[in-house]
Amino acid sequence: AQSVAQPEDQVNVAEGNPLTVKCTYSVSGNPYLFWYVQYPNRGLQFLLKYITGDNLVKGSYGFEAEFNKSQTSFHLKKPSALVSDSALYFCAVNDYKLSFGAGTTVTVRA
Amino acid sequence: AAGVIQSPRHLIKEKRETATLKCYPIPRHDTVYWYQQGPGQDPQFLISFYEKMQSDKGSIPDRFSAQQFSDYHSELNMSSLELGDSALYFCASSTRTSHGGGRTDTQYFGPGTRLTVL
Repeated sequence: AQSVAQPEDQVNVAEGNPLTVKCTYSVSGNPYLFWYVQYPNRGLQFLLKYITGDNLVKGSYGFEAEFNKSQTSFHLKKPSALVSDSALYFCAVNDYKLSFGAGTTVTVRA
Repeated sequence: AAGVIQSPRHLIKEKRETATLKCYPIPRHDTVYWYQQGPGQDPQFLISFYEKMQSDKGSIPDRFSAQQFSDYHSELNMSSLELGDSALYFCASSTRTSHGGGRTDTQYFGPGTRLTVL
């Protein structure tokens, strides 16, 4: 079975500081990994995905993610966090359907 | 850009009633997915359709059924509603690319329908 795990329920950072949201995966075969963000009472917004190729993937709103095969990780990063980045972040693996991690709540304080 | 449209946005039903949720995918998208997100939980896959045929099935109760119509919109029909069905129901759509056969396709989500069963 394909699965992802997000080891942190919450991440708190100060505005302007780097933001990292962790994700590890357990996949047989090639991993197809995605990051989504959910704002309160809203749908999920696609941020970026890893399919193949370059291990550093750039996405929307200044986010990027690093795929690390040896550590089976796909961490989401942003060099300088904004208060507006405060939201719920989901890592997911696509096996013809998305299987999500439990989610990480990010709070960026001014 | 056009997004996924879901209706209604909010729905309140009594136990044992029925509900129908509608989803209109992004134009030219051929695949529709339904997910259920309970309070404080991650979204769980229910069912998907590709070119109007059911393509995959997840943890969807037998009381639920769904279909995709000729215009690619989809409906999720829920009968004998239970309190535990209260959740946010998302529809997502994608367009099938040849590489990966669907596994590499980005799913774009609608705003969801919040179902409350009293």
